[in-house]
Amino acid sequence: GAVVSQHPSWVICKSGTSVKIECRSLDFQATTMFWYRQFPKQSLMLMATSNEGSKATYEQGVEKDKFLINHASLTLSTLTVTSAHPEDSSFYICSAVQAEETQYFGPGTRLLVL
Amino acid sequence: GQQLNQSPQSMFIQEGEDVSMNCTSSSIFNTWLWYKQEPGEGPVLLIALYKAGELTSNGRLTAQFGITRKDSFLNISASIPSDVGIYFCAGQFGNEKLTFGTGTRLTIIP
Repeated sequence: GAVVSQHPSWVICKSGTSVKIECRSLDFQATTMFWYRQFPKQSLMLMATSNEGSKATYEQGVEKDKFLINHASLTLSTLTVTSAHPEDSSFYICSAVQAEETQYFGPGTRLLVL
Repeated sequence: GQQLNQSPQSMFIQEGEDVSMNCTSSSIFNTWLWYKQEPGEGPVLLIALYKAGELTSNGRLTAQFGITRKDSFLNISASIPSDVGIYFCAGQFGNEKLTFGTGTRLTIIP
């Protein structure tokens, strides 16, 4: 149980385009989902916290207009990187929580912006 | 954002040796978690600790929640090649967000 999936697993795009990443909890309903970004050889840095049906809470320094988060249902959250630039290239990881239990992480999405 | 201080940063050990790593914080937590991350994948939960002083095992892995609530350690006994990866600690206070450690990269020498 407690499986979280992400799609796509990797994406290459041109600078200036927008990219959408999906995060799904496959066998449980996630009251909260989190989005992290991880640069090479670094730890996970929380970008935003997303609750179903409400606006996401962004961490300091994360632009909410650039990283759009939609948590439309208890099993799906999406992160859209708008007008992506090479510096947005990173490994994006989501996690999901049922009630107040442990966070389970997705397999990550590697984004490369050319 | 805040990060926990994790040491060592990297380890190169012989197969069969024991491994020890720790995590320290300037603030207290009431949950400590240990994750393992392999290249190109998300972190996988290894052990969760919920009480100061708690010692918990998962196979060859043993972790402890420090008495001061500001530290935790993870031991791996009799390491094997598949133990290779990056190990992250994470602390949580109440239902607040997780704060991750800086990671320990483990390499096993056959």
